[in-house]
Amino acid sequence: EIVLTQSPATLSVSPGERVTLSCRASQSVYSNLAWYQQKPGQPPRLIIYGASTRLTGIPARFSGSGSGTEFTLTISSLQSEDFGVYYCQQYHNWPPEKTFGQGTKVEIK
Amino acid sequence: QVQLQESGPGLVKPSGTLSLTCGVSGGSITSSAWWSWVRQPPGKGLEWIGEVTHSGSTNYNPSLKSRVNISVDKTKNQFSLKLNSVAAADTAIYYCARDDGGLVLHWGQGTLVTVSS
Repeated sequence: EIVLTQSPATLSVSPGERVTLSCRASQSVYSNLAWYQQKPGQPPRLIIYGASTRLTGIPARFSGSGSGTEFTLTISSLQSEDFGVYYCQQYHNWPPEKTFGQGTKVEIK
Repeated sequence: QVQLQESGPGLVKPSGTLSLTCGVSGGSITSSAWWSWVRQPPGKGLEWIGEVTHSGSTNYNPSLKSRVNISVDKTKNQFSLKLNSVAAADTAIYYCARDDGGLVLHWGQGTLVTVSS
């Protein structure tokens, strides 16, 4: 099983700041990594796949990078609507299996 | 735009069976997608449970495989989850979802299932 480790667990930031979230895989997933955003009381929403491709409609302030075992999600200038929990997910060994990281909470400082 | 809606009991007794159904609208369950279940314990992270295709092929999380069955009903455009021998640790929000190529693109709103006597 591929284990994804996200850091930090919580990030306290002010609007307008640059935010960097990390996701590390226990073995290479190549570029088969996605990022999801979840707000309270809502299901997650896919925002990036293929490590760096934004879904249609996702603002350009969101960018993903990395390959192999080290990945980063960057929000260039945090907006109020960006607060929530971010999860990475690997789909390299799918099928049959996909796994999520434990999440990073981005909260207001 | 495909929409998914979970339904089923919100309370299950310990050692019992959790049973949920996901109704699919705005699209056919016979598409090439995989249909998934994901759960989230209150205040915690996401756990993929498993998935099914319209033909009945399944993949399961190894940690839950011995207790899980996911099935599809094409006539009703829905799919279902059964989780046996539940315990308090199975208390969670259960989401049904549609996958494409390993990515979870469409999610239901989720339903809270509590395991308690």
